[in-house]
Formats: sequence, C-alpha cells, structure tokens
Amino acid sequence: SQQGEEDPQALSIQEGENATMNCSYKTSINNLQWYRQNSGRGLVHLILIRSNEREKHSGRLRVTLDTSKKSSSLLITASRAADTASYFCATDITGGGNKLTFGTGTQLKVEL
Amino acid sequence: DAGITQSPRHKVTETGTPVTLRCHQTENHRYMYWYRQDPGHGLRLIHYSYGVKDTDKGEVSDGYSVSRSKTEDFLLTLESATSSQTSVYFCAISGTSGSYEQYFGPGTRLTVT
Repeated sequence: SQQGEEDPQALSIQEGENATMNCSYKTSINNLQWYRQNSGRGLVHLILIRSNEREKHSGRLRVTLDTSKKSSSLLITASRAADTASYFCATDITGGGNKLTFGTGTQLKVEL
Repeated sequence: DAGITQSPRHKVTETGTPVTLRCHQTENHRYMYWYRQDPGHGLRLIHYSYGVKDTDKGEVSDGYSVSRSKTEDFLLTLESATSSQTSVYFCAISGTSGSYEQYFGPGTRLTVT
C-alpha cells in the first residue's frame, strides 16, 4: 500500500475559492513535499516541510504538518484556473535512503 | 526548467522486444531516478542512482535494469517488454540529496502491444 494517500482524490472548486487537500502517511519521516503536475507534464516541486516544522508558506500555498497524526495538508488560497492540476505529496521516510515515496494524488479542477 | 530531457518522448513497441529509455541532464546532479506513473498508483520508483555506476532498486524493479556510465545519462532498459509495462515513465534528478527537491523530466509514454 502507498506510504502517502491524498484526500480527496478529486476536487472541483470555483475560481477565487480556497482548495484544501490532505495527505496521510504511515511511517516516520524526515520531510514531506508537495508537487504539482499539469496534464501531460512532469512534476514540479512546490514546497518542502521538515518533520520539526508545523507550518510553511509560499505565496498562495500554505502547508501544515502534524507528525502525531502522520498527516499534512496543502491549502491553495484564492485559486485560479491555472491551478488546475494534480497535486502529490511525497515523503522522505526516516532510514529510507535518498529517495521519496509519492502518494496517488489529488486532481484539482478550478472552474471559471 | 531544470536541464533534464528524456528520449524518446513516445514509443510503441511489441511484446518481447527490448526497449531503452534515456534520461539526460545538464545540471551535474548526483542523484537520478526512474519512475513509472499509472492511473490509481501515483508515481512508483523503479530504480535510482546515487552516482556513476552506483544504482539501487526501487519499489517496482522487476523486468527493468538501469545503467549510469556518465553523470549526465541514466538509461532504463526493459529487457523483454510486456503489456503491463505500458506506462508513462519519468526521470528525475536531485542535487544535494535525493530526499530533497527533485526535478522531473517531461516523461516518455510507452505502449507495449
């Protein structure tokens, strides 16, 4: 089974609304990252949060991490049509070596 | 965009034939990765490299082999392609540590008939 599971699998909102997606994981991590993938393209790194951090911001993105619940959330504020994409969380598992484990993703659609 | 390219971008091949996908980077990054992406599975790691001639298996390595004879090139070979290997393949690179930000190539869509 996947280390990271995003929720919801799909999300449809109107432009200007906020979008929240969640990621749960199973084992201890060093950091958690979020990536975006536009249709037909490779993934693009958005933000990294370390295990000793609780919240991080980057522009319209806000990421939280709760290690006690083994979960993270990505909030996109004031969404735009250009935010339409799939979003993946990826975890650097403690003792897992120099690699990431990706979740199955949330498909976000932002409608005009 | 990070200097990372994949070739070919699209390929159709028959069951039982060998196939080699190439990943080329101009960033001089130490770590390189091959993933496959399938609906409902997200990205799954096939093999990765932490230096020239240094490679290791990922989650779904059966039926695949890799080679890295130069820093800039990481080759993925399907020894005898099967229909279950129809997928989109992504290469990624990382500099300081593979556990940090990874940069992805544009992907190769492989169809095995």
